[in-house]
Amino acid sequence: QSVLTQPPSASGTPGQRVTISCSGSSSNIGTNTVNWYQQFPGTAPKLLIYSNNQRPSGVPDRFSGSKSGTSASLAISGLQSEDEADYYCAAWDDSLNGFVVFGGGTKLTVL
Amino acid sequence: EVQLLESGGGLVQPGGSLRLSCAASGFTFRSDAMSWVRQAPGKGLEWVSAISVSGGRTFYADSVKGRFTITRDNSKNTLYLQMNSLRGEDTAVYFCAKDGSGWLPGNWGQGTLVTVSS
Repeated sequence: QSVLTQPPSASGTPGQRVTISCSGSSSNIGTNTVNWYQQFPGTAPKLLIYSNNQRPSGVPDRFSGSKSGTSASLAISGLQSEDEADYYCAAWDDSLNGFVVFGGGTKLTVL
Repeated sequence: EVQLLESGGGLVQPGGSLRLSCAASGFTFRSDAMSWVRQAPGKGLEWVSAISVSGGRTFYADSVKGRFTITRDNSKNTLYLQMNSLRGEDTAVYFCAKDGSGWLPGNWGQGTLVTVSS
């Protein structure tokens, strides 16, 4: 069971806006920033959002991130078929000596 | 362009050892924290370990603490993961990653598969 909680699946039709949630606690999301990753089958994850809401160069502005309290969200607007992938959130956790925690991942299906 | 190339994966028997390497290029290796993340077949991402720029600070997931050791050689632009007392549940693709922000992975390598089986 992952420390960060994500819905296992999400779906939408082309052009729609989809939101994926990531719920944590005061020791991780409540205190530290959140990153989001996109992963296609058989490939390495790719950084999608860092520091809660910043996009690396090359990431379309259709992707946006936000954080409030102990939860974070990834929003994808103007959904496209090529957005069908797995999405993971991650944050540093200040418990014990410190460690990185990931969400369990959300499989996004474009209908 | 940032490039991270993992090597050293393979088939190992339970209780055995393996050392993974990650050759880095395209950035100033000695200026970035690094980490290892693994993904078991059909499963999600699991953070394994991280190391500071100098190597003086290291962090481990509870699942590998005492069995795995992360090190780096800044003169060779290489990150390592020494894995001892391997178990079946350590079977996974192991990715090395460059720090993105706040100890979280940014750029990722393509991964190397470790299979622990008799």
